[in-house]
Amino acid sequence: SQKIEQNSEALNIQEGKTATLTCNYTNYSPAYLQWYRQDPGRGPVFLLLIRENEKEKRKERLKVTFDTTLKQSLFHITASQPADSATYLCAPITGGGNKLTFGTGTQLKVEL
Amino acid sequence: DAGVIQSPRHEVTEMGQEVTLRCKPISGHNSLFWYRQTMMRGLELLIYFNNNVPIDDSGMPEDRFSAKMPNASFSTLKIQPSEPRDSAVYFCASSFDGGDQPQHFGDGTRLSIL
Repeated sequence: SQKIEQNSEALNIQEGKTATLTCNYTNYSPAYLQWYRQDPGRGPVFLLLIRENEKEKRKERLKVTFDTTLKQSLFHITASQPADSATYLCAPITGGGNKLTFGTGTQLKVEL
Repeated sequence: DAGVIQSPRHEVTEMGQEVTLRCKPISGHNSLFWYRQTMMRGLELLIYFNNNVPIDDSGMPEDRFSAKMPNASFSTLKIQPSEPRDSAVYFCASSFDGGDQPQHFGDGTRLSIL
């Protein structure tokens, strides 16, 4: 069956460091992969989308990679700030539809 | 611009009662999604509509759950009768059609069934 795995343990890092979050998927051949941020008491907010033919995508301090051989996406936040503290969710999407299946999310805490 | 609007924000009711959750999508979006989020199961898709037509309801847990989209600017998710295990945060999201389109989420309805 299809499975999406994200770091189940919370990730604590120091301000200014690079945070790296992992999304692994099995029994999937996604055409796209989306990343979202969720703050407590709020709905998820879209951050980035990467396509299967793209190795890397950047937006300001954010970088996403997509390795279809390893079946993995990495999400990096450089020069992290306490305001980056949130839960980050990945969602691979197979082609031909817009049905998202979300991973369980990784909670990131950036400390001063 | 207004985002996705959900109501109520919080609902507390007793087991066996009917619960109706409401959603107003972003104007112009033609896809609408209902999700449920719990600590145990994470964020699960219940049903989604495209151009007001239900496309995939495979995530609806059982017949007690029903969803409608009578027009492009309104959708409801109904639970009848409600049970304590239905307690969760329910999110509505909307987007343009296509897997490469970002989904825009409301802030959810926190539902507690006593």
